[in-house]
Order: sequence, then structure tokens, then C-alpha cells
Amino acid sequence: DAGVTQSPTHLIKTRGQQVTLRCSPKSGHDTVSWYQQALGQGPQFIFQYYEEEERQRGNFPDRFSGHQFPNYSSELNVNALLLGDSALYLCASTPPGQVLSGANVLTFGAGSRLTVL
Amino acid sequence: AQSVAQPEDQVNVAEGNPLTVKCTYSVSGNPYLFWYVQYPNRGLQFLLKYITGDNLVKGSYGFEAEFNKSQTSFHLKKPSALVSDSALYFCAVRDRTDSWGKLQFGAGTQVVVTP
Repeated sequence: DAGVTQSPTHLIKTRGQQVTLRCSPKSGHDTVSWYQQALGQGPQFIFQYYEEEERQRGNFPDRFSGHQFPNYSSELNVNALLLGDSALYLCASTPPGQVLSGANVLTFGAGSRLTVL
Repeated sequence: AQSVAQPEDQVNVAEGNPLTVKCTYSVSGNPYLFWYVQYPNRGLQFLLKYITGDNLVKGSYGFEAEFNKSQTSFHLKKPSALVSDSALYFCAVRDRTDSWGKLQFGAGTQVVVTP
């Protein structure tokens, strides 16, 4: 049973460019969250998608946007890249009902490492 | 607002000795608390969680954590550390009043277990 899969694993962009990161949740999971993990820091919540809608958003600018598809997969888009956007971007998924019940155990992918030059 | 503090950047312990990784939290109400572990080039893996009830929570790979409401702490412990426990450990908190349950992570503690 495949867990959470993310692509690409590594990518390099230059300032001002745009990037799209992709995530397939674990089989049976329906909620997807995105986190940014800068070097030496803990993951920071970006946003969460459920039923193809953004349900909650962290303290990130509008340059960060996302989408969830009917098959529960998700994309994270970042426009006008800045040097400070260099980080590991983690996708996590949750089984149905867990988010609202409180149990909230996240299954993480290995991440997409973005380097902005 | 919720926050998590992991006061130690790194913990060094000899194999076979007890391991403790400290975590304190701040949240407006009663928290849900979690520990995750991250190995190099891997995503985070769930270890254990505190929801309610017994303050001592047992998790994966022999780890346990004790919830202390008066000290707002949730320290991770293992009675006998293994070299394979060397990894980056994250404490996380969720505010029970937050319907959608975003997690606030600490900065992480690097655990180094020497043979």
C-alpha cells in the first residue's frame, strides 16, 4: 500500500519563477495538508484541503495557492518565488473523519525540496 | 495562539541509556499533543499522541510520553536508547477548539545515540 507520494523530489528555480508541487495522498485518505519546513526549523502549516476546498490556511501570502482534485490528490503552487521560499515542502494526508474528531494523525510524504537561486 | 518549545537543539545519549526529549506547549484550551520523528531524506513519522485520559502515553518503537498539565509539558522518553533512534524529533500541538486541526510543530530536537 503506497503511502503519500510527492513529486518532484528535488527542483531548482530562480527568483520570480513559479513552481507546482504535486501530492497523492495515502489510499483511503481524503484530507491533504501542506507544510513548509525551512532548514533547521519545524514544519509550518500552509493550508489544508478537504472536498476540493481550502478549509484552513496558515500565515502564508497569497503567492501560495493550492488545489485538490476529485481523486483527493493535491497541488501546491507558489508564484513569484523568493529566496526565502527555499525549503522542504511536505504533504500530509488524513483518513476520513479524523481531522474533525481530533485524532488527526498525519501521514507525511518524503517531501519536495525546493531551492530558489 | 498556540506554540511549542523544544528547548534542546540536540540530545546526546549512549546506547542503552534512557532518552528524554523535552517539549513544552502553550495553547488557549486543552491540547492534543503529538510526537513525530524524521529520518534523513524522509517525511515525518507518527510516534504517539495524547488525546485524553491517562497522562502516560505509549507509542511506537518503545517510546512513551508523559502529559503534565500543570507544567504544560509533554516530554518524550525511551528507557533504553538504540543507535537506530538517532533522528530528528518534533513535538506538535493542536488546539481542541480548532475544528480543522492544524498542527503547530516545535523546531525539533536532534537525537544522537552513540554505540
